[in-house]
Amino acid sequence: DTEVTQTPKHLVMGMTNKKSLKCEQHMGHRAMYWYKQKAKKPPELMFVYSYEKLSINESVPSRFSPECPNSSLLNLHLHALQPEDSALYLCASSQDPRTGVLYNEQFFGPGTRLTVL
Amino acid sequence: QQQVKQSPQSLIVQKGGISIINCAYENTAFDYFPWYQQFPGKGPALLIAIRPDVSEKKEGRFTISFNKSAKQFSLHIMDSQPGDSATYFCAASGTTDSWGKLQFGAGTQVVVTP
Repeated sequence: DTEVTQTPKHLVMGMTNKKSLKCEQHMGHRAMYWYKQKAKKPPELMFVYSYEKLSINESVPSRFSPECPNSSLLNLHLHALQPEDSALYLCASSQDPRTGVLYNEQFFGPGTRLTVL
Repeated sequence: QQQVKQSPQSLIVQKGGISIINCAYENTAFDYFPWYQQFPGKGPALLIAIRPDVSEKKEGRFTISFNKSAKQFSLHIMDSQPGDSATYFCAASGTTDSWGKLQFGAGTQVVVTP
């Protein structure tokens, strides 16, 4: 199974709402990622988890709160977002370097299209 | 600043033609160069990747050429088909403390006309 799944596919929320995005993979990968992608732009890295611990936070505002409850699941909790946060949110996974793999082969999910009103 | 420069921004090619996308990088610590294909509303899909120890890698109609001395790599799509119409991103990463950080190019929108 080489699939990364994300739910929901689409999400519309107001600026005062709290919502969560979910990501799941069953490839045995121990590194998981959140990216944000605006239209016609490349994905921008937000967070990296390695063995369920946050290893990289790319100075993301605190209204985005990641969580990795186990090795297969990754959540992104959203609170008090702004309209400019509307984007496609992508989850990805890869082998972790501690497994001895040399190359960061990342597999992406289909994304959640988020609209903030 | 963008660590990987990609060109062209867009290209139109006729069915059966060759699509060529170029990328250049500066960081000599990069040692893994993947290409991703993204259809509208979908996540990027890993298409093909190359390491600096080879100068060319071919998978079906897709070929990566790599020039280590020039710090450039390119994607060739042979016999382009309408189903190849998508946005293509080159990327680069290293194996040291920058693990996890894929540096993406700006993307190339490819349109294949029937």
